[in-house]
Amino acid sequence: DTAVSQTPKYLVTQMGNDKSIKCEQNLGHDTMYWYKQDSKKFLKIMFSYNNKELIINETVPNRFSPKSPDKAHLNLHINSLELGDSAVYFCASSQGHQTNSPLHFGNGTRLTVT
Amino acid sequence: AQSVTQLGSHVSVSEGALVLLRCNYSSSVPPYLFWYVQYPNQGLQLLLKYTTGATLVKGINGFEAEFKKSETSFHLTKPSAHMSDAAEYFCAVSTMYSGGGADGLTFGKGTHLIIQP
Repeated sequence: DTAVSQTPKYLVTQMGNDKSIKCEQNLGHDTMYWYKQDSKKFLKIMFSYNNKELIINETVPNRFSPKSPDKAHLNLHINSLELGDSAVYFCASSQGHQTNSPLHFGNGTRLTVT
Repeated sequence: AQSVTQLGSHVSVSEGALVLLRCNYSSSVPPYLFWYVQYPNQGLQLLLKYTTGATLVKGINGFEAEFKKSETSFHLTKPSAHMSDAAEYFCAVSTMYSGGGADGLTFGKGTHLIIQP
């Protein structure tokens, strides 16, 4: 009965490949997010999405694209992977936008690009 | 725009000692403040939050934090550290004007708490 689940937990791939990370939440939340955590543990938001709008952090390369088949799912697709994409990617959800609504995080996907 | 500064990337305390993790924020409007904890190989979990009202906020696992507007601080404390408290702790800030998404919630760089036996 995991609230926010991500798959896979680990992903090892070569440069230039295309990969996807899946995320599902069963909390009934209307907003989902993708965060990137680098090797120094710094968290950076990549996207936030609800059924009305997608907000993209302008620093995120357009090789990254979120795809939401329904409001319980927000998958992350990455094209032409680069070494610098290696990080831990976290999916999160909340009820409403990130104002006073706490985030519920998945356990992360550790992506290693070789 | 808002920002968060966590003083000390690593804090080490003895088991049973007081835990104090420092967080200062910058915001031109009243902030919403959060502390999250990250255990190894896990996602972040909310410890506590301040939105409005009482400035001393109690959270899970015996942690509490006090919002001090005059000092722009939201330090996290626990009277007696336990070995299970060893983790990464993140302070975060948003405001009612943050809007959705990309700039809505700003995280500090985290403090790694080490508990010495």
